Amino acid sequence: SAVISQKPSRDICQRGTSLTIQCQVDSQVTMMFWYRQQPGQSLTLIATANQGSEATYESGFVIDKFPISRPNLTFSTLTVSNMSPEDSSIYLCSVGTGNRAEAFFGQGTRLTVV
Amino acid sequence: GQNIDQPTEMTATEGAIVQINCTYQTSGFNGLFWYQQHAGEAPTFLSYNVLDGLEEKGRFSSFLSRSKGYSYLLLKELQMKDSASYLCAVRSTDSNYQLIWGAGTKLIIKP
Repeated sequence: SAVISQKPSRDICQRGTSLTIQCQVDSQVTMMFWYRQQPGQSLTLIATANQGSEATYESGFVIDKFPISRPNLTFSTLTVSNMSPEDSSIYLCSVGTGNRAEAFFGQGTRLTVV
Repeated sequence: GQNIDQPTEMTATEGAIVQINCTYQTSGFNGLFWYQQHAGEAPTFLSYNVLDGLEEKGRFSSFLSRSKGYSYLLLKELQMKDSASYLCAVRSTDSNYQLIWGAGTKLIIKP
């Protein structure tokens, strides 16, 4: 299993500003995933963070808007840049580990942009 | 394309049994997961199926038929705390560790 500490748990931000979300894992993992979840909807993958290389972004998400860092095998950050109210959502980091490669999640960051 | 379908919402009575279905079409198959997500919280792992058949874990069971692209999650002796969203996720063979997620089924338990 994996225990993930995600910060902040929630924040209210002004439009036009940026917020950086951090995830710390208690073990070394190859890949970390960043998701967005709109209220009442399922998980949408933003990008896969690989250590030592650039993140891989899904369709509709770009590095300028969601820059990601992965300095080592236990830590990653996601920045939501130049925020607008449409960015209000829950952001989750996740890792896949173990024989089943099941997903473990951080506690989530509830972001509100005003 | 890759697609996972599950009902949007279901209602059941405390103490009863409910079955949540999931059908999938993916590029290859390397395991199916069920997760529970309470409102405002992160998803938590419930079950995993990679071979056909039924996996039982306490009040929860999960079934898989790979030939039909079909799974279900069976919840017995429902409790009020089972009110949550239940997410079906499939790992295809296209990408390692990346899961394809269904939209989730919101389960409402009534007394």
